[in-house]
Amino acid sequence: TQLLEQSPQFLSIQEGENLTVYCNSSSVFSSLQWYRQEPGEGPVLLVTVVTGGEVKKLKRLTFQFGDARKDSSLHITAAQPGDTGLYLCAGRATNAGKSTFGDGTTLTVKP
Amino acid sequence: ETGVTQTPRHLVMGMTNKKSLKCEQHLGHNAMYWYKQSAKKPLELMFVYSLEERVENNSVPSRFSPECPNSSHLFLHLHTLQPEDSALYLCASSQGTANMNTEAFFGQGTRLTVV
Repeated sequence: TQLLEQSPQFLSIQEGENLTVYCNSSSVFSSLQWYRQEPGEGPVLLVTVVTGGEVKKLKRLTFQFGDARKDSSLHITAAQPGDTGLYLCAGRATNAGKSTFGDGTTLTVKP
Repeated sequence: ETGVTQTPRHLVMGMTNKKSLKCEQHLGHNAMYWYKQSAKKPLELMFVYSLEERVENNSVPSRFSPECPNSSHLFLHLHTLQPEDSALYLCASSQGTANMNTEAFFGQGTRLTVV
């Protein structure tokens, strides 16, 4: 079973639309990271959230860490084709010795 | 540019060949990792090195052999691979394996095809 569940698995939208993707777990995490990976490239770190309830903004991207530190969301406003990619969440559960990655959400933004 | 460089970017090898993947990081990190990413599967952690010592080996077949000669370099030696080993192999580095924040910086990966 996957420690971090991401949803939806695939998302295809038109340019200009808003979207939210989710990263959920039954475990508590000391921190969570979000990465974006473009085809044929390695994942690139976008943000780290540490505090329960924390909200971080990166231009049109808004990241939120759940109050209980078990889940996180990524909201993109006015999506652009350049946002296309695989969005991965990762983190280390407080009762785990290593970090883990979710399965990812593949986002396609059509012009 | 993430500060982690992998070579080669693409590799095609036969099942009887021996090849090596190379990773170099210029971030001053003390932990390095090998991941395997196959189509429609999540990232699989293969090996973890901390301060040049292997601290984790996730039941990876012996046809994959890692080597970490110093904190800046990591190799993955490959021999007698199978077609199902075809995947994107990613190297990453971080400041440490035991930190609260596990931010990893990835290389661009080596796309390996076993024929």
